[in-house]
Formats: sequence, C-alpha cells, structure tokens
Amino acid sequence: DGGITQSPKYLFRKEGQNVTLSCEQNLNHDAMYWYRQDPGQGLRLIYYSQIVNDFQKGDIAEGYSVSREKKESFPLTVTSAQKNPTAFYLCASSIDPNGPYEQYFGPGTRLTVT
Amino acid sequence: GDSVTQMEGPVTLSEEAFLTINCTYTATGYPSLFWYVQYPGEGLQLLLKATKADDKGSNKGFEATYRKETTSFHLEKGSVQVSDSAVYFCALIDTDKLIFGTGTRLQVFP
Repeated sequence: DGGITQSPKYLFRKEGQNVTLSCEQNLNHDAMYWYRQDPGQGLRLIYYSQIVNDFQKGDIAEGYSVSREKKESFPLTVTSAQKNPTAFYLCASSIDPNGPYEQYFGPGTRLTVT
Repeated sequence: GDSVTQMEGPVTLSEEAFLTINCTYTATGYPSLFWYVQYPGEGLQLLLKATKADDKGSNKGFEATYRKETTSFHLEKGSVQVSDSAVYFCALIDTDKLIFGTGTRLQVFP
C-alpha cells in the first residue's frame, strides 16, 4: 500500500534536547511538507521541499530544521531553540509542487516536551 | 494574502440531521478548494475537492460546490452519522501552498 508513515506516534523529550521526527513516503511524490497543529487551531506550515536537496521555510520555521537527502524521506528536527515544541506534527506530500494538487497526510506524531 | 474562514464549532447534531459547515475564502487568483477531515488522534484525509467555479465535489455523502460569486465552499451532508464526528478543515491552494481554515469540530449524537 502506498502512503506516508510517521514515527513514532508519541514522543516524549526533556526540555533542552533536540528531537527528530521521521517522515517517509512511497508515493513517488516530489513535494513534502511539515505542519504543526496546536489544540483548537488549524495547521501551520513549518518547512516544505519541492525537490531533493532543496527546502524552503514556511510560516513558523524558527527552532526547526529539515533535510531532504532522499525523495522519499523528509525528517524534521525540533531543536532546543523552539520555545514551545509540544504539539501534533503532521507530514504531507503532493505529487507535484507546481500546481493545485492535493496533499496527502501521514498519521502524525504527538510530541510532548517537559 | 490568501485566507480561509470557517464557522466556529463545535457543531452538535443528532444522527440523521442535515449538516452545513460554512467556508469562505479570499484569494487573488483562481484557487482549488478542498475539504479535509481529521478523526481523533489521526492525520488529515482528503474528503473532497473542486478545482474551478461551479464544480461540485462529493464523497461519502458529503458535497461542496465552488461558488466564485460568493467565494464560498460550504460543506453539506443530508444525513449525518455518529461516525462522521471529526474535525473538518476547509483549505485552498493557489500556487504551491495549502492554506487551511482553523477547523470545525462536528459532534453527532445517537
């Protein structure tokens, strides 16, 4: 089955530690995205990548970093510089970044930092 | 910039009631419009979409019509079920970024 996988589903970290969230897709999509969702709010774009070895900041990139070394993988690192990292993180992909194509989402990772 | 506005929730209905969730948008171009659904603890699933004016998207009994004159894309269902309880997001994409509304929680009781 084609799809997007995110792991782990729940992640707990101590304040001051960096943590990396995994996102893998086997849909052969060119574009990948990371969103953050806070309770009762919509989704906010953190970073996106339209092609391997290239990525752009979204609306709330501060305190986050990404890499896109392979087409199918787009890991997100939440650094200690992120002031309020506890949230639900969603990864998505779309077939082509240059057009109005729908995005497909993974199941999400809930990160709790204490 | 482009934006999406949804009605505030929660929307609380009895099973078999008629559902409308309002969505309006602001865009400089001619966006494609989407409804996504999020069940508790899960990611988002595409529910339906429309790519041009007067298009009607439909899926699983849900429908929405792209109204350019009123810049709206309201979600409707004739008879909701308990299993429809979820958060519904209206979204648009103009060039490369998907822009979401804040979501509307639907609660359906037996």
